[in-house]
Amino acid sequence: QVQLVQSGAEVKEPGASVKVSCKASGYTFTSFDINWVRQATGQGLEWMGWMNPNSGNTGFADKFQGRITMTRNTSISTAYMELSSLRSEDTAVYYCARREVRGKRAFDIWGQGSMVTVSS
Amino acid sequence: DIQMTQSPSTLFASVGDRVTITCRASQSISSWLAWYQQKPGKAPNLLIYKASTLEGGVPSRFSGSGSGTEFTLTISSLQPDDFATYYCQQYHSYWYTFGQGTKLEIK
Repeated sequence: QVQLVQSGAEVKEPGASVKVSCKASGYTFTSFDINWVRQATGQGLEWMGWMNPNSGNTGFADKFQGRITMTRNTSISTAYMELSSLRSEDTAVYYCARREVRGKRAFDIWGQGSMVTVSS
Repeated sequence: DIQMTQSPSTLFASVGDRVTITCRASQSISSWLAWYQQKPGKAPNLLIYKASTLEGGVPSRFSGSGSGTEFTLTISSLQPDDFATYYCQQYHSYWYTFGQGTKLEIK
């Protein structure tokens, strides 16, 4: 079935970087954008950015510019999101989500989430 | 950036009630709006896209309407499984934003 499976929980110290993976299966990886959304405990959803796995093109929310990188490995249908210069406010669950560029254009398949804790 | 404002933030209702959640955009987004349902500890689930198109497998008691800057999500007859948090999201441009969420709680 169509699914996105994310990497496990991470604990990082302030100032470090974290890299979260998102492995796609059940569909053609390069045919859908991958987006990243995060959610701090008890808070709402915050969109971080998108990547087109075919071209590698990316776009990021202003808040994360300069601190976020999105890459992919098409041979293993996996997308990556790396966030650097971590601070306590980055503690959150990070989700990847698939987006059809034409058609629905909404986020129709989501990963299970990856908890990132930033603590000294 | 386009801002999305949902109301109310919390909604108390009973099984069988008809409920409506509103989402307003800070500028016109045509019909590029989605609604998601999220339950505690789970990823969001797409309910409606293009403002009014029901995602496959979503019960028909859910419906969406609106265009431009004002949108609504209606649940015609609440079921126990519907108590959750609902988010709207605009995708008018390549910078997507969510509303702050509406928590639907049992009265």
